[in-house]
Amino acid sequence: DTGVSQDPRHKITKRGQNVTFRCDPISEHNRLYWYRQTLGQGPEFLTYFQNEAQLEKSRLLSDRFSAERPKGSFSTLEIQRTEQGDSAMYLCASSLDRWDTQYFGPGTRLTVL
Amino acid sequence: GQQLNQSPQSMFIQEGEDVSMNCTSSSIFNTWLWYKQDPGEGPVLLIALYKAGELTSNGRLTAQFGITRKDSFLNISASIPSDVGIYFCAGQLRTRAGGTSYGKLTFGQGTILTVHP
Repeated sequence: DTGVSQDPRHKITKRGQNVTFRCDPISEHNRLYWYRQTLGQGPEFLTYFQNEAQLEKSRLLSDRFSAERPKGSFSTLEIQRTEQGDSAMYLCASSLDRWDTQYFGPGTRLTVL
Repeated sequence: GQQLNQSPQSMFIQEGEDVSMNCTSSSIFNTWLWYKQDPGEGPVLLIALYKAGELTSNGRLTAQFGITRKDSFLNISASIPSDVGIYFCAGQLRTRAGGTSYGKLTFGQGTILTVHP
């Protein structure tokens, strides 16, 4: 399978803990996006990368959130000092270039107790 | 954050019926997309629309890009049980290099479709 993959698929953590998610985009896709989806809502944009450069960050991405794409391939999203409000599905998408179709991964569901 | 207004929120229909859902925005998009999401999975692209007034079909699915560029609708004909899921509209604003927010998608709240056999 050569689609977008995300790991882990599910994460349960206690409030105050740090968590890190990984996204592996489709090979040779230059663009990588992170979205957050809460229950009953559509995905909301968090940030995106063009190769290894992080070009835009949403206001939803507080100082506790950090994303990296060190070699322009996989990306990680870290949340420090998790809060219950961080509970959501975190989706990663990749596209070949700026205007190409964004292909989504299966998501990582985070539950903060 | 901004989301598009999508309606209806949910639909319960019989197999074989046609379905219509729509999406409106207070701002202009120059690309409209329709995605389907199954439980526990990421959204999958169904149809993409790139031009105001454009009508595009993909099998039993038909979608239109409103001429005001602020709305779009999706029709599903002769529904079948596997059409069950959540349907999302998404708008994309394609700006020139140096513009802001290009590439990202803005989603509606979703329409939950249930099809009874």
